[in-house]
Amino acid sequence: GAVVSQHPSWVICKSGTSVKIECRSLDFQATTMFWYRQFPKQSLMLMATSNEGSKATYEQGVEKDKFLINHASLTLSTLTVTSAHPEDSSFYICSATEATSDTQYFGPGTRLTVL
Amino acid sequence: QQQVKQSPQSLIVQKGGISIINCAYENTAFDYFPWYQQFPGKGPALLIAIRPDVSEKKEGRFTISFNKSAKQFSLHIMDSQPGDSATYFCAAAYNTDKLIFGTGTRLQVFP
Repeated sequence: GAVVSQHPSWVICKSGTSVKIECRSLDFQATTMFWYRQFPKQSLMLMATSNEGSKATYEQGVEKDKFLINHASLTLSTLTVTSAHPEDSSFYICSATEATSDTQYFGPGTRLTVL
Repeated sequence: QQQVKQSPQSLIVQKGGISIINCAYENTAFDYFPWYQQFPGKGPALLIAIRPDVSEKKEGRFTISFNKSAKQFSLHIMDSQPGDSATYFCAAAYNTDKLIFGTGTRLQVFP
């Protein structure tokens, strides 16, 4: 099956710093990638949708200047949390779809803790 | 109209029993209904998915029942095992676009 990886798997940073999270499709070309945020014991909330080579589409209430998404290639998307604050601490999960499939394949997630 | 309601919030089942999780949606444009399994600290993994043109789909011990007129669908886990203990999310999407997730059900299967 299709595999999606994320790096890092966990990160701890100081308040005010920026953190970059990578999402890679390992064995397929991802035409679309999605970024989700999940707080403890809660559901996944879609943050944004990105297509290779174009600007990401953000969900209502998600600050696009704070959560920068770049989908530079068909196998890589990055999420940068700028000027992170403790309330940004969460589990960030990406998913990817390929043109020939209707399945979203999820990455293992990245645990972000902002001190 | 974009919500997907999921119940129960938690479920305790004895080994060998049947686990049943229910979801309901409002948007009749939804045409893709997957179920995901998530273990603590991991990303969700697709279990099984269904489209509205069929009323039931079975894969191994997992079955989705779909009722288009009632706008409801459910996941049945037959012969539940302790290894099935996880959080289960239903979801819905239009044209396999953005997934709208349910609130999740925490399943615990006791030996």
